[in-house]
Amino acid sequence: AQSVAQPEDQVNVAEGNPLTVKCTYSVSGNPYLFWYVQYPNRGLQFLLKYITGDNLVKGSYGFEAEFNKSQTSFHLKKPSALVSDSALYFCAVPGGSQGNLIFGKGTKLSVKP
Amino acid sequence: NAGVMQNPRHLVRRRGQEARLRCSPMKGHSHVYWYRQLPEEGLKFMVYLQKENIIDESGMPKERFSAEFPKEGPSILRIQQVVRGDSAAYFCASRPGLAGVTDTQYFGPGTRLTVL
Repeated sequence: AQSVAQPEDQVNVAEGNPLTVKCTYSVSGNPYLFWYVQYPNRGLQFLLKYITGDNLVKGSYGFEAEFNKSQTSFHLKKPSALVSDSALYFCAVPGGSQGNLIFGKGTKLSVKP
Repeated sequence: NAGVMQNPRHLVRRRGQEARLRCSPMKGHSHVYWYRQLPEEGLKFMVYLQKENIIDESGMPKERFSAEFPKEGPSILRIQQVVRGDSAAYFCASRPGLAGVTDTQYFGPGTRLTVL
């Protein structure tokens, strides 16, 4: 069965510092991986996805993610965090051929001034 | 280009009433998914629909819940005889259907259902 894990419930970062939000995956077949962000009382916004090709994927709002096949990881990164990046971040994989997404439990990112 | 629209944004129902949640996908998108976000449980898939067809309802409770996506109009998630445990945020997502499982799904703002 397809699954993703986000090992950290919360990540705290000071503004201007680099941030990493971790995600590991377990899939059969080719890994397709997604990152979404959810601001309070809002829907999910797509950040980026890995389908194939370059292991470093660039996305919205200055975020990027590194696909690592040997470590089965797809960590989300940003070189310099902003207070406005504070939100809930979800990693996801397709659950099957119908495309429904299976989400990690989410990581709350808190960026302090 | 308008995004995925959901209404109402907030819905309050008493136990035993019916809740109807509506979702209008992005223009040109023919594939719709419904997800539920429960406190402490994260986001869970409920049902996947294409126009006039339910493709996969494996995540939807067998009783009281139903969904449709008619030829004309929005997709509807219907919950009959609501109970307090149905209180959650319900999100709709749509995708164009061009790239299968690698399509990006775009989410609506959600409907927050509160059952009194």
